[in-house]
Amino acid sequence: DAGVIQSPRHEVTEMGQEVTLRCKPISGHDYLFWYRQTMMRGLELLIYFNNNVPIDDSGMPEDRFSAKMPNASFSTLKIQPSEPRDSAVYFCASSFSGTDTEAFFGQGTRLTVV
Amino acid sequence: GENVEQHPSTLSVQEGDSAVIKCTYSDSASNYFPWYKQELGKRPQLIIDIRSNVGEKKDQRIAVTLNKTAKHFSLHITETQPEDSAVYFCAANGRGSTLGRLYFGRGTQLTVWP
Repeated sequence: DAGVIQSPRHEVTEMGQEVTLRCKPISGHDYLFWYRQTMMRGLELLIYFNNNVPIDDSGMPEDRFSAKMPNASFSTLKIQPSEPRDSAVYFCASSFSGTDTEAFFGQGTRLTVV
Repeated sequence: GENVEQHPSTLSVQEGDSAVIKCTYSDSASNYFPWYKQELGKRPQLIIDIRSNVGEKKDQRIAVTLNKTAKHFSLHITETQPEDSAVYFCAANGRGSTLGRLYFGRGTQLTVWP
């Protein structure tokens, strides 16, 4: 397996624009997580899914953020409208409930909102 | 839910010295404690983990200890090398309604000086 795949790797957008981040989890994994990493706040869990169903979205900062998982092999994190304070590295991770919940991270998307 | 505290936030050591990072957790039901290493510009990757049925685990120069009674666990790196420089995260697993997720500490920036 190629691991967790995220796209794009880098995104630069203007304030007010819509941004969509994409994630393909490892095949067979039933948990998918979206994290945001900044110097100030560290690694924050935004939302996670189990079997494509959102379990906890309490980490989503505002209504401008939304996430979907239409099937077991794809998830999106959308920011609309984007703001400069959304600039961060966004990681997607997946895990399998049959093991001790080791999470495998994607390479991340570095988002810059100007 | 679980709460994981990690100390210190930064740690500088001379090459060849040992480094110790400590974490505490709040939920006595947690039974899985992974450690992740994140090199600059890279994704977090698992380096070692421990389950609650053992007190210590070693893998070459790294070891992790767990004290269930006190609810703390530690990462020990011996004979440090410059390539050990990275951010290290501890984590504990959720149980019950939070099964499947990991709760991360804030991270420790380890710098090993040659």
